[in-house]
Amino acid sequence: AQSVTQLGSHVSVSEGALVLLRCNYSSSVSVYLFWYVQYPNQGLQLLLKYLSGSTLVKGINGFEAEFNKSQTSFHLRKPSVHISDTAEYFCAVSVQGGSEKLVFGKGTKLTVNP
Amino acid sequence: EAQVTQNPRYLITVTGKKLTVTCSQNMNHEYMSWYRQDPGLGLRQIYYSMNVEVTDKGDVPEGYKVSRKEKRNFPLILESPSPNQTSLYFCASSRSGGSGNTIYFGEGSWLTVV
Repeated sequence: AQSVTQLGSHVSVSEGALVLLRCNYSSSVSVYLFWYVQYPNQGLQLLLKYLSGSTLVKGINGFEAEFNKSQTSFHLRKPSVHISDTAEYFCAVSVQGGSEKLVFGKGTKLTVNP
Repeated sequence: EAQVTQNPRYLITVTGKKLTVTCSQNMNHEYMSWYRQDPGLGLRQIYYSMNVEVTDKGDVPEGYKVSRKEKRNFPLILESPSPNQTSLYFCASSRSGGSGNTIYFGEGSWLTVV
């Protein structure tokens, strides 16, 4: 079975700061990796995903993530956050060749203060 | 516009009163699924469907039913709702299973069972 651990359920930073949201996963088979964002009272929107190739993945809204196979991590970062980035962020994995089921972490609520 | 549409968005119901949450997608996706989101638990898959007339249980299927008679629709049925089914529900769809395709989510349905 797969599991996803997100370190820190709440993160608060100032506007313009660098933010790093941590995600580690556990799986005995190869997986794809995803980051989703959920703005208040909205559904989930894909930020970025890693399928194969370059381990540095760039997504929407200036976010990027780096896949580290040896550390089984897929941390999300943004060099300079904006107040509009206030949202909840979910890391997820799906099994390659599997049913497309996403296994989610518990989420990290990011608050960006003015 | 490509979208996953859920109805109702908000519902308060009483224990034991059957209800259906509808889900429709306009992207001709084969794969559809339902998730529930609970505080501190992230999202967990309830049921999924790889195509018309093909459905299977996810991680938390107890108390739910689904059907997939048409490609675009995937309703979630609670035949006898109980308070522990109070949650935020998301319908999702993607092109097919197992290939790391982007999964698109609806805006969510808030269900309260009293």
